[in-house]
Amino acid sequence: DTAVSQTPKYLVTQMGNDKSIKCEQNLGHDTMYWYKQDSKKFLKIMFSYNNKELIINETVPNRFSPKSPDKAHLNLHINSLELGDSAVYFCASSFRAPSTDTQYFGPGTRLTVL
Amino acid sequence: LAKTTQPISMDSYEGQEVNITCSHNNIATNDYITWYQQFPSQGPRFIIQGYKTKVTNEVASLFIPADRKSSTLSLPRVSLSDTAVYYCLVVGSQGNLIFGKGTKLSVKP
Repeated sequence: DTAVSQTPKYLVTQMGNDKSIKCEQNLGHDTMYWYKQDSKKFLKIMFSYNNKELIINETVPNRFSPKSPDKAHLNLHINSLELGDSAVYFCASSFRAPSTDTQYFGPGTRLTVL
Repeated sequence: LAKTTQPISMDSYEGQEVNITCSHNNIATNDYITWYQQFPSQGPRFIIQGYKTKVTNEVASLFIPADRKSSTLSLPRVSLSDTAVYYCLVVGSQGNLIFGKGTKLSVKP
């Protein structure tokens, strides 16, 4: 009974390609997030959605586009992949709109751009 | 936005108590202090959260002085499985989440 799941777990692709990462949560939470963790282990928030509405949009290249078909899913589409996009991407969810609520993280998707 | 500063790494031995201190000098009135634990190849996992004084759960204790400009995560009697990266996080109602650089705790036998 995985609370927050991501697919795929590993993604290896060539520069210039377009790829998507999917995230699903079965916790009944209203809010979902995407984080990026680089090789130095810095964890940075990218986006947050509350009930399918974008509420946090950090300084992220336009090549990254989140999509939330419903509040249980938040997918991340990346266009024209670059070497610097290589990182681990984590999806997370919390009960309410960004607040002090605990965030539950998925297992991560390791993206490698060659 | 309140930023956090914590030691990059710490070493300990099994059975010892480990205290990790985090500085957050510009914490706002409505901000909470939250700690997450991350094992290799896994997502961060919530450990404990507090606003002031002391909070204790089955995993750890969190000590917050009156000025709230720092906090200390205390792990009692650590084991090898506590080897992980520990993140101190200041969380406000506005939802701007900033993870610190984390403290890599290594527990040795």
